[in-house]
Amino acid sequence: EDQVTQSPEALRLQEGESSSLNCSYTVSGLRGLFWYRQDPGKGPEFLFTLYSAGEEKEKERLKATLTKKESFLHITAPKPEDSATYLCAVQGASNAGNNRKLIWGLGTSLAVNP
Amino acid sequence: EAQVTQNPRYLITVTGKKLTVTCSQNMNHEYMSWYRQDPGLGLRQIYYSMNVEVTDKGDVPEGYKVSRKEKRNFPLILESPSPNQTSLYFCASSLWEGSGELFFGEGSRLTVL
Repeated sequence: EDQVTQSPEALRLQEGESSSLNCSYTVSGLRGLFWYRQDPGKGPEFLFTLYSAGEEKEKERLKATLTKKESFLHITAPKPEDSATYLCAVQGASNAGNNRKLIWGLGTSLAVNP
Repeated sequence: EAQVTQNPRYLITVTGKKLTVTCSQNMNHEYMSWYRQDPGLGLRQIYYSMNVEVTDKGDVPEGYKVSRKEKRNFPLILESPSPNQTSLYFCASSLWEGSGELFFGEGSRLTVL
């Protein structure tokens, strides 16, 4: 069964304190792994797509990496405005029919203190 | 501005009173989907649509209906709401059905008493 597990559930950092969020996945034939950011009371906002092991994507203080079993979202020198819940989702090749649905993790709630 | 618009954003209703949550996107996207988000359960897909007049069930379709008569609109209908449908609902769209790059609406928080 396709599955996504994110850790930690919650993370509190001081401003400038770099860290990483983990997304472990089990999927039959990875078509893509996606990172989203969700602010309280808002809809998720797309950040990155990763397709194959070894791939990396960067955006400002965020860098996403991918291996065959997991993805990391590295946050370098975070600021308070980086506080949000970060969601990971995977899309596998074995999804039934034509609905290549996303399998979502429960997210990591990040708080960055000034 | 590219956006997915949901209405209402907040709604309190009573058991059995039919309601509709509207969703509209202005990006000419083919694929649209409804999710509900609950603590500890994450995002779960309710229904999706790959194009006009093409809809199908997601993981948790019971108690919901949808229609896609126009490309831009994808309303979610609760014919007889029950308290277990109290949740935060999101509409999302993407350029095509295989894309994992979804655009989400702001969400509709529904409480069924």
